[in-house]
Amino acid sequence: SQTIHQWPATLVQPVGSPLSLECTVEGTSNPNLYWYRQAAGRGLQLLFYSVGIGQISSEVPQNLSASRPQDRQFILSSKKLLLSDSGFYLCAWTGRGDTQYFGPGTRLTVL
Amino acid sequence: AQSVTQLDSQVPVFEEAPVELRCNYSSSVSVYLFWYVQYPNQGLQLLLKYLSGSTLVKGINGFEAEFNKSQTSFHLRKPSVHISDTAEYFCAVCRDTGRRALTFGSGTRLQVQP
Repeated sequence: SQTIHQWPATLVQPVGSPLSLECTVEGTSNPNLYWYRQAAGRGLQLLFYSVGIGQISSEVPQNLSASRPQDRQFILSSKKLLLSDSGFYLCAWTGRGDTQYFGPGTRLTVL
Repeated sequence: AQSVTQLDSQVPVFEEAPVELRCNYSSSVSVYLFWYVQYPNQGLQLLLKYLSGSTLVKGINGFEAEFNKSQTSFHLRKPSVHISDTAEYFCAVCRDTGRRALTFGSGTRLQVQP
């Protein structure tokens, strides 16, 4: 069966520091991968999606970036965090089907 | 582009009472519809989905939803809720072709009281 992992689970970072969040999927190949952000009291916003290695599409302009160095690995990064980057970051994947499956999420607090 | 509206940000209900969480969507193309549940500090779990066919879909934990194309709605219902149903519920849509990225509503907090 397929599983999706995210780490770290929780992160507290100062403003201006770099960021790297990792997402990996097991039990499938060539998945579509997605990064979403959930700000406090709000719904989920799509940040990036990827249909293959090195293929990244950005949905919103921001100081975040994404990379897909391997088929089942998706990384969210920032060179300098802002207060507004705080939130709950969720990774998701789809295979050939139509349903997105979500990871456990990373809670990021920028101070 | 698609959009999703969940009119109720919070729904308090007593245990064993019925509940309906409302969801309306807007799209110029055919879409798939989903309901997800999120427990505190956890990821999203799929409750149910509508792709095609019967407009009444049944999901996990006793939930069901009805797709109404004319009213562009996909309301979630449960005939008798439990304390354990307390969570955030998200309605979402995606195009039935292409990259299948989800557009979410703002969520409805279901608070089941004893």
